[in-house]
Order: sequence, then structure tokens, then C-alpha cells
Amino acid sequence: DGGITQSPKYLFRKEGQNVTLSCEQNLNHDAMYWYRQDPGQGLRLIYYSQIVNDFQKGDIAEGYSVSREKKESFPLTVTSAQKNPTAFYLCASSWGRELNTEAFFGQGTRLTVV
Amino acid sequence: GESVGLHLPTLSVQEGDNSIINCAYSNSASDYFIWYKQESGKGPQFIIDIRSNMDKRQGQRVTVLLNKTVKHLSLQIAATQPGDSAVYFCAERKNGLTFGKGTHLIIQP
Repeated sequence: DGGITQSPKYLFRKEGQNVTLSCEQNLNHDAMYWYRQDPGQGLRLIYYSQIVNDFQKGDIAEGYSVSREKKESFPLTVTSAQKNPTAFYLCASSWGRELNTEAFFGQGTRLTVV
Repeated sequence: GESVGLHLPTLSVQEGDNSIINCAYSNSASDYFIWYKQESGKGPQFIIDIRSNMDKRQGQRVTVLLNKTVKHLSLQIAATQPGDSAVYFCAERKNGLTFGKGTHLIIQP
């Protein structure tokens, strides 16, 4: 099955710990994205990557880091510098960031920091 | 209506009626727009898109209207069903996709 997979679905971490969220796609998409969603809110862009070994900050990149070593993988690390990390995190991919095509989303990871 | 900037939390409609969800976008240079549906605890799913050189596009039971003059986008759902209950987001493409805050569509029996 082709698609985009996020894991785990639920994640709990203690305050001050770094945590890495996984995102894998087998759609052969060039572009990948990370969004954060808070309750009752829209999606805010954290980071995006148009091509392997390249990525750009989105609107709320502070306290997050990413890597894009492989086309199919775009992991997100939530660092201890992120002041309010508890949220629903969504990964997406598309054919190309400059192309007029929709983004396909994973099912999300709900991160709770205690 | 919803804005990529304003929040209209809930729209309640009777089952079988038509639903209209509105969205105002901010950037006149945006050239591509998408409507997504998000069910509770899941990722958004693509519903329909429209390019800026069009003013109307129809899908199965859904129609998107684009008015570039007033920077307004709407999603019409015909004969609303219980399975249509979800949060609906509009998104505009400028640098990546920018999402509105969503409208929660509630279907009354």
C-alpha cells in the first residue's frame, strides 16, 4: 500500500527530554512537511523539505529540528528548547512544493510532555 | 465565515440539507487552494482543490467556489450525511500550504 506513515500514534515524554517523531512515505514524493496542530486550531508549519539533504524553517521552527537523509524519511526532533511541546504533530508529503498538487497527510502523532 | 486568520468554530446543519463552509484568504498571490476534511484524531484528507485560473470546480457531492475579487473560497456539500461530520480546513498555497483554523461541521439528525 502506498502512503505516509507516522509513528508512534501516541508518545509520552518527560519534560526536558528530546523526542523524535518518525515519518516515512513510499509515494516517491520529493517534498515533505511537518505541521503542529493545537486543540481548536489550524495547522502551523514547522519545517519542510523539498529535496534530500535540504530543509527549510516554517513559521514555528524554534525548538524543533529535522533531517532529510533519505527521500522517504523526514524525522522531527522535539527538543527541550520547545517551551510547549504537547500537541498533535502531522507529517505530509507532496510531489513538489512548487507544483499545484495536494499534500497527503499521515495519521499524526499525539505528543504529551509531562 | 472561516478565514486563514479568523475562527468560525461550528456549523450545524440538518441531515440531508446542503452545507456551505466559507473561507477568506489573505494573499492575492496565492494560486492554488485546497479543502481538507479532518476527522477526530486523524490526519486531514484531501477533498477538492482549485487553481486560481478557475472559479468553480465540482466533485462528488462537493463544489468549491473561488472569488478572487474578494479573496473568498467556499465549500458546498450537497445532501449532508452523518459521515460528513468533521473539521474542514481550507488551505492556500503561497510558500507551502497555509491552513485556516477550521470549521467544525455538525450534522443534526
